[in-house]
Parts: sequence; structure tokens; C-alpha cells
Amino acid sequence: QQQVKQSPQSLIVQKGGISIINCAYENTAFDYFPWYQQFPGKGPALLIAIRPDVSEKKEGRFTISFNKSAKQFSLHIMDSQPGDSATYFCAASPLSGNTGKLIFGQGTTLQVKP
Amino acid sequence: GAVVSQHPSRVICKSGTSVKIECRSLDFQATTMFWYRQFPKQSLMLMATSNEGSKATYEQGVEKDKFLINHASLTLSTLTVTSAHPEDSSFYICSARDGGLAGETQYFGPGTRLLVL
Repeated sequence: QQQVKQSPQSLIVQKGGISIINCAYENTAFDYFPWYQQFPGKGPALLIAIRPDVSEKKEGRFTISFNKSAKQFSLHIMDSQPGDSATYFCAASPLSGNTGKLIFGQGTTLQVKP
Repeated sequence: GAVVSQHPSRVICKSGTSVKIECRSLDFQATTMFWYRQFPKQSLMLMATSNEGSKATYEQGVEKDKFLINHASLTLSTLTVTSAHPEDSSFYICSARDGGLAGETQYFGPGTRLLVL
């Protein structure tokens, strides 16, 4: 019940296309859902995060769509660029009464072809 | 923005020696810090949660006597890998939780690559 399942494992997109990564969770106590971007040999960097009181959040080319009833959320990268090529991790955390421990998905390696 | 640093970025040591990794929050106070390890092409695995001034909470299966964590101040946490062995070779990453208004945000350090020969 603590798992966050992420798909696909890898993704290849043409420059200018839309990259879509999906995550699903089971624990209804989760109420914070961030996405992290990681380049090889570097630590993860927070991209965008959402709370379950909204169904969508957009920051620049990055959008999170959130479906509370389905317990799913996804990251959309619009106008994908070669510089977006990285590994993306979704995560979830129950904020209430919690130290903020994040449960990470398995990761998606994105390659954007020029 | 919030910055977390780690030192060293890379360390090579002989089997049986101990290695200390430092994690610092540079421009904010972190009441809680987290330590992760990551194997190649895998996700981050939480090892322990470190709270300033108290004992760390270790995840199931993580040996607390092998991975010593000290959170001596609101800006510094250290991870010491004691009697390191080749199987401890990994990428160790810390994160710090901003205890301010954006309390849920975790900021990650750049990671430390440990190679045990």
C-alpha cells in the first residue's frame, strides 16, 4: 500500500512532442505529489508538485494532472526538448503527522530526439 | 532557492575503512534531513530520517550500526559508513526539508559516489 507505481520505464519522444509519464498509488493518506528530474550523476531536482485539492497544476512546459478518484497522477512535458532528457521520478507523501517521508516511483528515463 | 550541498562528491576507499559524508542546507534551516542510496538505473531508496537533536529513524533492513547518522545542527547532517565493503558502493544522496512555509518541499543534494575497493 506504500508503493507508487510509475510507467513507462523508458520513453523516447521527438523534439517538440509531448512526454507523458504516469503514476498510480494506493494509500489514500498520500496528499503531496511531487515530480523530480534527475540527470546522470546528479541529485534529483524538484520540478513541480501538487496537492489533491486541485486537478491540474501548470508551470511553464510542465503540467501535473491529478485524478483523486482513480488515485493516479501524471506529468506532461509540452514541447519536449533534448535538454529534457533525464530520469523523472514521481513521489508521494502523507503530510499529516509525518516527517515528510517521500515514497518514490521506479523512475522513467526520457530521451528527447532532436 | 534552497540549496543543499554534499561533501565529498566522490570517494574511493579500501574495504574495512569508514567514510563520512556531510550534508548541509546552505540557506535554510532543516529540522529534518533524509538519506537515500541509489543503485545504477534504479530509484531512490530511503535509508533513514534524521531529525536535529534526536536519533535517526532507520528504514527496515538498514543497519543502524553500519550507517551512522548524526544531525548535530539545523544545517548539518552526517552519514558515516562504518567498515565499508564493496557492496556498500553506491550513490548516496541526502535531502533536507525546509521547515518554513513550504514545509513539504524536500531539496536534494548533488549526491556522493562511494566506491569501496
